[in-house]
Amino acid sequence: EVQLVESGGGLVQPGGSLRLSCAASGFTFSNYWMGWVRQAPGKGLEWVANIKQDGSEKYFVDSVKGRFSISRDNARYSLHLEMNSLRAEDTAVYFCARGQGLLISGQIYPGAFDIWGQGTMVTVSS
Amino acid sequence: DIQMTQSPSTLSASVGDRVTITCRASQSISSWLAWHQQKPGKAPKLLIYKASTLESGVPSRFSGSGSGTEFTLTISSLQPDDCATYYCQQYDSYPVTFGPGTKVDIK
Repeated sequence: EVQLVESGGGLVQPGGSLRLSCAASGFTFSNYWMGWVRQAPGKGLEWVANIKQDGSEKYFVDSVKGRFSISRDNARYSLHLEMNSLRAEDTAVYFCARGQGLLISGQIYPGAFDIWGQGTMVTVSS
Repeated sequence: DIQMTQSPSTLSASVGDRVTITCRASQSISSWLAWHQQKPGKAPKLLIYKASTLESGVPSRFSGSGSGTEFTLTISSLQPDDCATYYCQQYDSYPVTFGPGTKVDIK
């Protein structure tokens, strides 16, 4: 079964740090772009970051640039989101998601998010 | 950044009704649009990608259309299990952006 399982969420003080992880199974992890999407309580979905199959390209939403980093370990089928200088507005459920893959002119682009994890809650509060 | 809007924001319809949700992009995204369904407390689920391609396993009562800046998601015969919030997502360019969502419930 294709599955993504997030972990690492919790309560953290403003200015603090947290590392989220996502364990993938049921598919060849190294073949896919991966990403993080978050959802603040009662709000809509907000894309956070994407990482290419080999980790050579990374993209972030402006609001987290310089504070968050994304990485992956293809051997361990895992994705990570390192979050620093956390703010109250970072409070959200964080979902890990797989990019289905788009082959255009010999290059693979992320495409739509076709597999989602169940999410892990991050609360930034004093 | 490409802004996505959706209408209506909420929709109440009867079982068996045909339901249409509209998504608009602030600039052309060709057909690089997906629709996701999210039920309370659950992860989103991909329904449609490339504007009109049905994801495997999704009931055929769901369909998508459009290109450029205007897109629609149609449920041909609303079922109780379709009560959810629906989000459009553009993946034409970074930053990836989602619409604000349309909440669908049964009248």
